[in-house]
Amino acid sequence: GEDVEQSLFLSVREGDSSVINCTYTDSSSTYLYWYKQEPGAGLQLLTYIFSNMDMKQDQRLTVLLNKKDKHLSLRIADTQTGDSAIYFCAETDDYKLSFGAGTTVTVRA
Amino acid sequence: SAVISQKPSRDICQRGTSLTIQCQVDSQVTMMFWYRQQPGQSLTLIATANQGSEATYESGFVIDKFPISRPNLTFSTLTVSNMSPEDSSIYLCSVGDGNRGSNYGYTFGSGTRLTVV
Repeated sequence: GEDVEQSLFLSVREGDSSVINCTYTDSSSTYLYWYKQEPGAGLQLLTYIFSNMDMKQDQRLTVLLNKKDKHLSLRIADTQTGDSAIYFCAETDDYKLSFGAGTTVTVRA
Repeated sequence: SAVISQKPSRDICQRGTSLTIQCQVDSQVTMMFWYRQQPGQSLTLIATANQGSEATYESGFVIDKFPISRPNLTFSTLTVSNMSPEDSSIYLCSVGDGNRGSNYGYTFGSGTRLTVV
């Protein structure tokens, strides 16, 4: 794995959609992941996408992958207060995960 | 996915001492990993815990400082030795679920929050 970059903060109004962006440099990445870390907790795997896919939807979550631009995004529809957390993008080309710095999402009423 | 129990959940330790963190998995897994998350930072892989052989360490991490045991396919320990305040971090155990089907992913324990004073 190589560098993975994310914006550090996102503030969103409750009920709106959140979009968290991530870029990576390793062109041989095979799996890309989104993890959620709530305060004082470990990491929860939200979703993942294979590098041969360009979109994956799972309930309120939509992952978009632009392999050409090495850009990954996570869209959370109808954002709720329980979605307030740090979201980590991660990639791997073998078994080692490389993580971004994490995006802190704050949901305001 | 696998369920991980990590102990202790937190500890405050004196500098110069050592702490051993345990990671117990509810099923046999091939791959187990140890990560460090320094305050306000992302996760960094310390090492891959190999069953029956020495752990594989990443650049910047050495066995004398972070000895790891992996006696079987469901258990591993990480020791943080001769601690200093710079070792204050969250330490996380992770396992690879290994099922590259519809539910592949890496599962993490809840972490050990270590403060060295």
